[in-house]
Amino acid sequence: QVQLQESGPGLVKPSETLSLTCTVSGASISGSYWSWIRQPPGKGLEWIGYIYNSGSTKYNPSLKSRVIISEDTSKNQFSLKLTSVTAADTAVYYCARDTGVDIDYWGQGSLVTVSS
Amino acid sequence: NFMLTQPHSVSESPGKTVTISCTRSSGTIATNYVQWYQQRPGSVPTTVIFEDNRRPSGVPDRFSGSIDTSSNSASLTISGLKTEDEADYYCQSYDTDIVVFGGGTKLTVL
Repeated sequence: QVQLQESGPGLVKPSETLSLTCTVSGASISGSYWSWIRQPPGKGLEWIGYIYNSGSTKYNPSLKSRVIISEDTSKNQFSLKLTSVTAADTAVYYCARDTGVDIDYWGQGSLVTVSS
Repeated sequence: NFMLTQPHSVSESPGKTVTISCTRSSGTIATNYVQWYQQRPGSVPTTVIFEDNRRPSGVPDRFSGSIDTSSNSASLTISGLKTEDEADYYCQSYDTDIVVFGGGTKLTVL
Protein backbone atom coordinates (compact mmCIF):
# COMPACT_ATOMS: atom_id res chain seq x y z
CA GLN A 1 0.00 0.00 0.00
CA VAL A 2 1.40 3.37 -1.01
CA GLN A 3 1.24 6.06 1.64
CA LEU A 4 2.17 9.73 1.48
CA GLN A 5 2.52 12.12 4.38
CA GLU A 6 3.03 15.87 4.20
CA SER A 7 5.01 17.70 6.84
CA GLY A 8 5.98 21.32 7.39
CA PRO A 9 4.93 24.54 9.09
CA GLY A 10 1.24 25.32 9.26
CA LEU A 11 1.79 29.07 9.41
CA VAL A 12 3.94 31.17 7.09
CA LYS A 13 4.35 34.94 7.07
CA PRO A 14 3.56 36.97 3.96
CA SER A 15 6.53 37.38 1.57
CA GLU A 16 8.30 34.37 3.10
CA THR A 17 8.81 30.90 1.65
CA LEU A 18 6.42 27.99 2.18
CA SER A 19 8.24 24.67 2.54
CA LEU A 20 6.66 21.24 2.70
CA THR A 21 8.03 17.72 2.49
CA CYS A 22 6.23 14.56 1.43
CA THR A 23 7.45 11.23 2.78
CA VAL A 24 6.49 8.27 0.63
CA SER A 25 6.25 4.66 1.77
CA GLY A 26 5.29 1.58 -0.20
CA ALA A 27 6.74 2.86 -3.49
CA SER A 28 9.95 4.35 -4.77
CA ILE A 29 9.85 7.96 -5.89
CA SER A 30 12.23 6.96 -8.66
CA GLY A 31 9.18 5.91 -10.69
CA SER A 32 5.91 7.72 -11.53
CA TYR A 33 5.21 11.39 -11.22
CA TRP A 34 5.10 12.92 -7.74
CA SER A 35 2.82 15.90 -7.53
CA TRP A 36 1.89 18.80 -5.33
CA ILE A 37 -1.73 19.93 -5.51
CA ARG A 38 -3.42 22.58 -3.40
CA GLN A 39 -6.96 23.48 -2.43
CA PRO A 40 -7.82 26.89 -0.93
CA PRO A 41 -10.53 26.71 1.73
CA GLY A 42 -13.91 26.14 0.09
CA LYS A 43 -12.40 26.14 -3.40
CA GLY A 44 -11.25 23.69 -6.06
CA LEU A 45 -8.09 21.74 -6.75
CA GLU A 46 -5.07 23.41 -8.32
CA TRP A 47 -2.11 21.48 -9.65
CA ILE A 48 1.19 23.02 -8.61
CA GLY A 49 3.66 20.74 -10.32
CA TYR A 50 5.42 17.40 -10.26
CA ILE A 51 8.83 15.79 -10.22
CA TYR A 52 9.63 12.65 -12.23
CA ASN A 53 12.31 10.71 -13.97
CA SER A 54 14.91 11.24 -11.25
CA GLY A 55 14.69 14.96 -10.91
CA SER A 56 12.86 16.39 -13.92
CA THR A 57 10.13 18.87 -13.04
CA LYS A 58 7.08 20.50 -14.58
CA TYR A 59 5.15 23.36 -13.02
CA ASN A 60 1.82 25.11 -13.37
CA PRO A 61 2.59 28.12 -15.59
CA SER A 62 0.70 30.41 -13.20
CA LEU A 63 3.03 29.49 -10.32
CA LYS A 64 6.19 28.59 -12.19
CA SER A 65 8.18 31.68 -11.18
CA ARG A 66 7.70 30.93 -7.46
CA VAL A 67 7.85 27.12 -7.26
CA ILE A 68 10.64 24.62 -6.79
CA ILE A 69 9.99 20.90 -6.38
CA SER A 70 12.94 18.73 -5.42
CA GLU A 71 13.56 15.19 -4.22
CA ASP A 72 15.72 13.24 -1.80
CA THR A 73 15.77 9.69 -3.09
CA SER A 74 17.82 8.48 -0.11
CA LYS A 75 14.89 9.37 2.15
CA ASN A 76 12.19 8.63 -0.45
CA GLN A 77 10.91 12.18 -0.03
CA PHE A 78 10.05 15.05 -2.31
CA SER A 79 9.59 18.68 -1.34
CA LEU A 80 7.84 21.89 -2.30
CA LYS A 81 9.09 25.43 -1.94
CA LEU A 82 6.80 28.33 -2.81
CA THR A 83 8.38 31.75 -2.51
CA SER A 84 6.95 35.20 -1.83
CA VAL A 85 3.68 33.87 -0.44
CA THR A 86 0.55 35.95 0.10
CA ALA A 87 -2.81 35.25 1.71
CA ALA A 88 -3.93 33.81 -1.64
CA ASP A 89 -1.54 30.92 -1.06
CA THR A 90 -3.46 29.81 2.03
CA ALA A 91 -4.63 26.29 1.22
CA VAL A 92 -4.55 22.62 2.01
CA TYR A 93 -1.47 21.29 0.24
CA TYR A 94 -1.58 17.69 -0.94
CA CYS A 95 1.24 15.54 -2.16
CA ALA A 96 0.15 12.79 -4.52
CA ARG A 97 1.29 10.14 -6.95
CA ASP A 98 0.36 10.65 -10.59
CA THR A 99 0.74 7.56 -12.75
CA GLY A 100 0.24 9.52 -15.96
CA VAL A 101 -3.17 7.87 -16.13
CA ASP A 102 -4.66 9.20 -12.93
CA ILE A 103 -3.70 10.48 -9.49
CA ASP A 104 -4.06 7.33 -7.50
CA TYR A 105 -2.59 8.06 -4.07
CA TRP A 106 -2.91 11.27 -2.06
CA GLY A 107 -1.53 12.42 1.24
CA GLN A 108 -3.98 13.54 3.89
CA GLY A 109 -3.20 17.18 3.16
CA SER A 110 -1.49 19.89 5.16
CA LEU A 111 -3.21 23.21 5.85
CA VAL A 112 -0.83 26.12 5.39
CA THR A 113 -2.04 29.54 6.44
CA VAL A 114 -0.28 32.68 5.28
CA SER A 115 -0.64 35.35 7.91
CA SER A 116 1.47 37.74 9.92
CA ASN B 1 -3.07 25.67 -22.21
CA PHE B 2 -6.74 24.79 -21.95
CA MET B 3 -9.36 25.04 -19.24
CA LEU B 4 -11.95 22.54 -18.11
CA THR B 5 -15.33 24.08 -17.24
CA GLN B 6 -17.84 22.35 -14.99
CA PRO B 7 -21.21 23.50 -13.65
CA HIS B 8 -20.85 24.89 -10.16
CA SER B 9 -23.56 22.68 -8.72
CA VAL B 10 -26.17 20.07 -9.57
CA SER B 11 -28.87 18.44 -7.50
CA GLU B 12 -31.08 15.42 -7.88
CA SER B 13 -33.18 13.06 -5.85
CA PRO B 14 -32.14 9.65 -4.56
CA GLY B 15 -32.63 6.89 -7.11
CA LYS B 16 -32.43 9.29 -10.05
CA THR B 17 -29.66 9.80 -12.60
CA VAL B 18 -27.43 12.87 -12.84
CA THR B 19 -24.85 13.89 -15.41
CA ILE B 20 -22.00 16.32 -14.77
CA SER B 21 -20.32 17.92 -17.77
CA CYS B 22 -16.72 19.02 -18.26
CA THR B 23 -16.04 21.17 -21.32
CA ARG B 24 -12.57 21.67 -22.73
CA SER B 25 -11.89 25.25 -23.82
CA SER B 26 -9.41 24.58 -26.60
CA GLY B 27 -7.94 21.57 -28.27
CA THR B 28 -9.84 18.31 -28.67
CA ILE B 29 -11.33 16.50 -25.69
CA ALA B 30 -10.25 13.18 -27.19
CA THR B 31 -6.59 14.19 -27.31
CA ASN B 32 -5.95 13.42 -23.65
CA TYR B 33 -7.77 11.09 -21.30
CA VAL B 34 -10.19 12.57 -18.76
CA GLN B 35 -10.38 11.45 -15.15
CA TRP B 36 -13.06 12.15 -12.54
CA TYR B 37 -12.44 12.48 -8.80
CA GLN B 38 -14.93 12.42 -5.96
CA GLN B 39 -14.21 14.46 -2.85
CA ARG B 40 -16.52 14.05 0.09
CA PRO B 41 -16.49 16.80 2.75
CA GLY B 42 -13.32 16.68 4.80
CA SER B 43 -11.83 13.88 2.71
CA VAL B 44 -9.14 13.37 0.12
CA PRO B 45 -10.16 13.05 -3.55
CA THR B 46 -10.56 9.55 -4.93
CA THR B 47 -10.73 8.41 -8.55
CA VAL B 48 -14.13 7.30 -9.80
CA ILE B 49 -13.33 7.29 -13.54
CA PHE B 50 -10.02 7.18 -15.40
CA GLU B 51 -9.13 7.08 -19.09
CA ASP B 52 -12.50 8.64 -20.01
CA ASN B 53 -14.70 5.70 -19.03
CA ARG B 54 -12.87 3.14 -16.92
CA ARG B 55 -13.76 2.48 -13.30
CA PRO B 56 -11.18 1.60 -10.64
CA SER B 57 -11.90 -1.57 -8.75
CA GLY B 58 -14.32 -0.87 -5.95
CA VAL B 59 -16.20 1.92 -7.73
CA PRO B 60 -19.78 0.80 -8.39
CA ASP B 61 -21.02 0.52 -11.96
CA ARG B 62 -23.52 3.27 -11.17
CA PHE B 63 -20.65 5.57 -12.14
CA SER B 64 -19.85 5.92 -15.84
CA GLY B 65 -17.85 8.30 -17.98
CA SER B 66 -17.97 9.34 -21.59
CA ILE B 67 -16.66 11.94 -24.00
CA ASP B 68 -18.51 13.81 -26.74
CA THR B 69 -16.34 15.29 -29.45
CA SER B 70 -19.22 17.32 -30.89
CA SER B 71 -19.47 19.38 -27.70
CA ASN B 72 -15.81 18.90 -26.82
CA SER B 73 -16.79 17.71 -23.40
CA ALA B 74 -16.59 14.81 -21.02
CA SER B 75 -19.41 13.65 -18.78
CA LEU B 76 -19.75 11.77 -15.53
CA THR B 77 -23.08 10.00 -15.08
CA ILE B 78 -24.22 8.61 -11.76
CA SER B 79 -27.32 6.45 -11.82
CA GLY B 80 -29.39 5.19 -8.91
CA LEU B 81 -28.24 8.13 -6.81
CA LYS B 82 -27.55 7.51 -3.15
CA THR B 83 -27.13 10.05 -0.38
CA GLU B 84 -23.51 8.87 -0.04
CA ASP B 85 -22.83 10.20 -3.57
CA GLU B 86 -23.21 13.75 -2.27
CA ALA B 87 -19.77 15.24 -2.82
CA ASP B 88 -17.68 17.51 -5.01
CA TYR B 89 -16.64 16.04 -8.36
CA TYR B 90 -13.62 17.22 -10.36
CA CYS B 91 -12.68 16.38 -13.91
CA GLN B 92 -8.98 16.33 -14.77
CA SER B 93 -6.94 15.96 -17.91
CA TYR B 94 -3.45 16.53 -19.17
CA ASP B 95 -1.88 18.95 -21.58
CA THR B 96 1.72 18.92 -22.72
CA ASP B 97 3.65 18.82 -19.46
CA ILE B 98 0.83 19.97 -17.23
CA VAL B 99 -2.16 18.68 -15.28
CA VAL B 100 -5.49 20.52 -15.58
CA PHE B 101 -8.41 20.29 -13.15
CA GLY B 102 -11.92 21.49 -13.72
CA GLY B 103 -13.36 23.88 -11.16
CA GLY B 104 -15.46 21.20 -9.50
CA THR B 105 -19.18 20.47 -9.24
CA LYS B 106 -21.03 20.16 -5.98
CA LEU B 107 -23.55 17.32 -6.18
CA THR B 108 -26.45 17.51 -3.76
CA VAL B 109 -28.64 14.47 -3.35
CA LEU B 110 -31.92 15.52 -1.78
